[in-house]
Amino acid sequence: AQKITQTQPGMFVQEKEAVTLDCTYDTSDPSYGLFWYKQPSSGEMIFLIYQGSYDQQNATEGRYSLNFQKARKSANLVISASQLGDSAMYFCAMRGIIQGAQKLVFGQGTRLTINP
Amino acid sequence: GAGVSQSPSNKVTEKGKDVELRCDPISGHTALYWYRQRLGQGLEFLIYFQGNSAPDKSGLPSDRFSAERTGESVSTLTIQRTQQEDSAVYLCASSPYAVNEQFFGPGTRLTVL
Repeated sequence: AQKITQTQPGMFVQEKEAVTLDCTYDTSDPSYGLFWYKQPSSGEMIFLIYQGSYDQQNATEGRYSLNFQKARKSANLVISASQLGDSAMYFCAMRGIIQGAQKLVFGQGTRLTINP
Repeated sequence: GAGVSQSPSNKVTEKGKDVELRCDPISGHTALYWYRQRLGQGLEFLIYFQGNSAPDKSGLPSDRFSAERTGESVSTLTIQRTQQEDSAVYLCASSPYAVNEQFFGPGTRLTVL
């Protein structure tokens, strides 16, 4: 079975600071993908970044980067130069390539609040 | 282009009634997923359709839940004899074949009184 753990229910950060959202995972699948989604108060799920388990480099997308530490089974999201519009729920998710390839398994989420 | 659409956006029903939730995926997307999100929680997988293959129903919580999809188009999630614990936001997502990212719709908020 696959499992995602997000241990920070809430985070408060000052605008323009960097923030790291924690995510650890567990899977027996030798090949898998890790995702981060943003969910603003409006409710839509916005894809942010993807990391494949065999990717040699950490994924980056603009201000988002994924700190992937395979041995520790962690996939933390780093947001640089945070903005007020970054305030939202953030979900870490994984998808097996062999097992459970047809679904995303989500963590409980972290509510990020950016203070001006 | 148009994204994933879902209807209705909100549905209030009485305990014991049946409800139908609709999802229109992005045109050309062969994969379609249904998820449930209870208040303050992450998303729970319900069911997955891929082309003409048999759907993966492993996430459906009870036999009161069912879903259909016509080809690679519209999908309907049906909940029979609704219970208060069915109250949640039901999210639909679609993706092209062999693409990692899932594109989500705005969801249907279901409230069972």
